[in-house]
This record gives sequence, structure tokens and C-alpha cells, in this order.
Amino acid sequence: AQTVTQSQPEMSVQEAETVTLSCTYDTSESDYYLFWYKQPPSRQMILVIRQEAYKQQNATENRFSVNFQKAAKSFSLKISDSQLGDAAMYFCASFMNYGGSQGNLIFGKGTKLSVKP
Amino acid sequence: DSGVTQTPKHLITATGQRVTLRCSPRSGDLSVYWYQQSLDQGLQFLIQYYNGEERAKGNILERFSAQQFPDLHSELNLSSLELGDSALYFCASSVGRTSSPLHFGNGTRLTVT
Repeated sequence: AQTVTQSQPEMSVQEAETVTLSCTYDTSESDYYLFWYKQPPSRQMILVIRQEAYKQQNATENRFSVNFQKAAKSFSLKISDSQLGDAAMYFCASFMNYGGSQGNLIFGKGTKLSVKP
Repeated sequence: DSGVTQTPKHLITATGQRVTLRCSPRSGDLSVYWYQQSLDQGLQFLIQYYNGEERAKGNILERFSAQQFPDLHSELNLSSLELGDSALYFCASSVGRTSSPLHFGNGTRLTVT
């Protein structure tokens, strides 16, 4: 079974600084996809960034980037130039593919990020 | 706006009752997923449908059932409700390919009293 582990229940960062959220996963699949989702106080689930396991290049979306270490099964999220609006719960997720359009996202427990002005 | 619509936003009901949560996926998406988020359990996968057929099942209780209709909207039925069923229920949709991300609705907050 796939598992996703986020070892930091809470993190704090100063506005304009950089913060890295950790995530490790375990899978026996060779083809899989990894995601970071953000859940602000409004409770919406917002896709932040996606990484295909077959791609060596780390994904980047504006101030958000990942450090994907496939051999170590590590998938950390780096937020640069942190803004007050980045304060949220961040979930790391791995897509479990059963084949034939079957599958689901397995989520970590989340990391609560606070941004200090 | 993700394009996924969930109704109602809030639902308050008593133990033992039955409720139906509704989800309309994004235009063009064939897969619908249901997740339960409670305070101490994180996001738990319940069930997935693809183009009207059940495709994957997670930790869904026997008291819960779901279906996806020909117009691709989905309903999650929760019966014999217990206090512990109080949670935020999310619907998400995707085009169905493994590389496509899930887009989430705003959730239905269920409170069982």
C-alpha cells in the first residue's frame, strides 16, 4: 500500500522568507504522480504543484518549487518570498494508480504553515 | 473556482437520519472522487467513479453509498448517521488519466447532533 508521510505538523516562516515543507512517500509503483495541495482557512483544496515521477526536472510554479528525490522517495515543497496569503494547511499527496482509470490520491496528514508579518 | 460544485454547503441533522450530498464535476471530467475530512483523520478516500461505474473503493462504511449518473453528477448517501460521521465531505473530479490532477469542490460540512 502507498503511504505519504509529512513529519512536520506545524511550521512557521517570516514574511518574505523561504520555507521548505517535507514529505516522504512509499510506493511500489514505477509510474506515479505527486502533488501538493493547499487548504486555507476557507477549507478549499487548492492544487499548488504537480510532479511526474518519470521527470527528473523539479516542477516549479512561480514562488513554489519542489525538490524531488526519487531514490530517497522524498518530495519537499519550497515556498520562496512567503506571503501572508500562504498561511494554510499543506497536504502532500501521491496518486495511486490501479490501472483502467482506477485510482485515488493518498494524502499525508498535512503541515500547518503560519506566516509572520 | 475549481469548477466542481457541491451542494449543500452545510447540513445539520440528527443521529439515525439519512442525507444525500451532491456533486457536479468540472465540464469534461469523467472521474469523481469522494473524500471525508474529519479533524483527527485527515483526508480519507471513500470511493471513485469513472463514467458512471464504480472504479475504486476506500474506507467507505457500509452505511454509505454513492452513484454517478449518466450526466456525470454524483451523489453520496449517508444513512443511519452517527455523531462520528460529522466531517467535511469533499468531491473531486478529474479527466480520468493518471497524470491529471484532482480538482476539489468546496465541500459539504455535515454536522450530526
